[in-house]
Amino acid sequence: EAQVTQNPRYLITVTGKKLTVTCSQNMNHEYMSWYRQDPGLGLRQIYYSMNVEVTDKGDVPEGYKVSRKEKRNFPLILESPSPNQTSLYFCASSRREGSYEQYFGPGTRLTVT
Amino acid sequence: QKEVEQNSGPLSVPEGAIASLNCTYSDRVSQSFFWYRQYSGKSPELIMSIYSNGDKEDGRFTAQLNKASQYVSLLIRDSQPSDSATYLCAVNKPGSYIPTFGRGTSLIVHP
Repeated sequence: EAQVTQNPRYLITVTGKKLTVTCSQNMNHEYMSWYRQDPGLGLRQIYYSMNVEVTDKGDVPEGYKVSRKEKRNFPLILESPSPNQTSLYFCASSRREGSYEQYFGPGTRLTVT
Repeated sequence: QKEVEQNSGPLSVPEGAIASLNCTYSDRVSQSFFWYRQYSGKSPELIMSIYSNGDKEDGRFTAQLNKASQYVSLLIRDSQPSDSATYLCAVNKPGSYIPTFGRGTSLIVHP
């Protein structure tokens, strides 16, 4: 089944404790991206990747890191999480050719206390 | 001006009515337009894409694109309570394969 998976789905952590949210897709998509979604603010792009070893900042990259060492994986790293990073996070992937439809993962709800 | 604008709603319509959702975009040379549906707490899912001026129909859904006026709309005919969700408009900026999303319009279909 073609899908984007994220782990964990729910995470409660404390300020300053490094964490990684994994994202993996099995559709051989070139493009992957991370979004955060907050009430009233919609989906905001954090980082995106055009291909392996190619990443770029989105609209709200502060406090986040990403890496793209393999085509299928695009982890999101919070080196020192803060309460303002409490949010719902989505990973998405899309093809380089064709419709550019975004396929979204199920989401990760992160709470930083 | 935000790149992609939507009325946040909620838009409330009775069951069986036509729901009309609108979206405007600022970059005149945008070329790909999408409507995603998102149920509360779930991930967005694509329901329509449109690339050229005019109407595109798929079942109860019709997407309308007017590039001269820089708007794209989604019509939902025979609205059902299961259509109650947030609808996100997404637009591809020129040279980018990652779309920009609007903040979404909440639709409530009441029995």
